[in-house]
Amino acid sequence: GDSVTQMEGPVTLSEEAFLTINCTYTATGYPSLFWYVQYPGEGLQLLLKATKADDKGSNKGFEATYRKETTSFHLEKGSVQVSDSAVYFCALSEANSGYALNFGKGTSLLVTP
Amino acid sequence: KAGVTQTPRYLIKTRGQQVTLSCSPISGHRSVSWYQQTPGQGLQFLFEYFSETQRNKGNFPGRFSGRQFSNSRSEMNVSTLELGDSALYLCASSLAASPGGNTIYFGEGSWLTVV
Repeated sequence: GDSVTQMEGPVTLSEEAFLTINCTYTATGYPSLFWYVQYPGEGLQLLLKATKADDKGSNKGFEATYRKETTSFHLEKGSVQVSDSAVYFCALSEANSGYALNFGKGTSLLVTP
Repeated sequence: KAGVTQTPRYLIKTRGQQVTLSCSPISGHRSVSWYQQTPGQGLQFLFEYFSETQRNKGNFPGRFSGRQFSNSRSEMNVSTLELGDSALYLCASSLAASPGGNTIYFGEGSWLTVV
């Protein structure tokens, strides 16, 4: 079945550091890929998405490229801020599972001043 | 534009009781789905409704059920509560009739504690 694997963290970075959160997936078809962010005590917010191979999703300085050859969708940001501290979830959806979101376990990010 | 609204935000129930959670999707959205979030299992899909019909279902026991009304509002019910049902229950809505690649918007969730 489909699955999403991401580094679990916690990841601790200093402000203005470069961020990479790795995400790899297995899927039987052609999934759409997503990054969601969850701030403390809140629900999930869509950060970015990509619906086909080689697409790059971007938002708020975050980027991720859909790499079919490596089945990856790594999240990157050039310079993190304290306000980026949150839990980040990689997810996929595809027709074989009725397009339900299949999430990774989440990666906790703490950015220190 | 109002987001996905879930009520109640917090509740405490006793083992064996049942609970009903409510979700109002974003105006115009006809698809509503529910997810359970726990520290151990992470985020897991419960079910999805579109135009009052269950379109997809996750791997949860029959104690978990849901429904959708003609105004797209949805409820989920958990009967005979167990301690393991303690979780954050997230409702999400999306616009398109045909799923796939659509943006899904989440509410802030309902925190359920079973004691």
